[in-house]
Amino acid sequence: DAGITQSPRHKVTETGTPVTLRCHQTENHRYMYWYRQDPGHGLRLIHYSYGVKDTDKGEVSDGYSVSRSKTEDFLLTLESATSSQTSVYFCASSWAEKVDLVANEKLFFGSGTQLSVL
Amino acid sequence: QKEVEQNSGPLSVPEGAIASLNCTYSDRGSQSFFWYRQYSGKSPELIMSIYSNGDKEDGRFTAQLNKASQYVSLLIRDSQPSDSATYLCAVSPADKIIFGKGTRLHILP
Repeated sequence: DAGITQSPRHKVTETGTPVTLRCHQTENHRYMYWYRQDPGHGLRLIHYSYGVKDTDKGEVSDGYSVSRSKTEDFLLTLESATSSQTSVYFCASSWAEKVDLVANEKLFFGSGTQLSVL
Repeated sequence: QKEVEQNSGPLSVPEGAIASLNCTYSDRGSQSFFWYRQYSGKSPELIMSIYSNGDKEDGRFTAQLNKASQYVSLLIRDSQPSDSATYLCAVSPADKIIFGKGTRLHILP
């Protein structure tokens, strides 16, 4: 499996504080994604990146920002954490390259970060 | 309307029977379609991808795609207790990959 790690694995923080989650991949994947998963909502895309310094918003981007200064690292920042941002956060990466006219877009997921905002 | 719709279930299927999971999507420009399986407390893992209309078989799994109807399905033959999990449909419009809410599948022994 692809080497993709998330840190921290668990975090408890207080409302109003900034929080940064880190995703690190060792596969030289071009694309990286941040999702949140909540009961009854499945996986919802927060932000994604299609290259160094190239990012775009997903379905639920309000209150979140991202940065990608190196291919291997994708940071998710909660600018001022709220209780509604309590969730499990998954990072994923993929090649997303065309191989014989078929996009190779398999997502490799990290183990997830359980974030609790009190 | 969410871009990818799935019935949340739970879907209960007897062991050895066929489980049928369905998904619809809204973006007609979508080109890539995926089924991921997620066990409780674990990360999702890819089980099938499909890019053209028709059926694609891999072992006990068959993915079906109908772009005209904007419909993707997953059939699991000879269902086993180890197939009990949440199945997530994912669709790729442009650069992003969007997931449905997932269908919980319970295989009854």
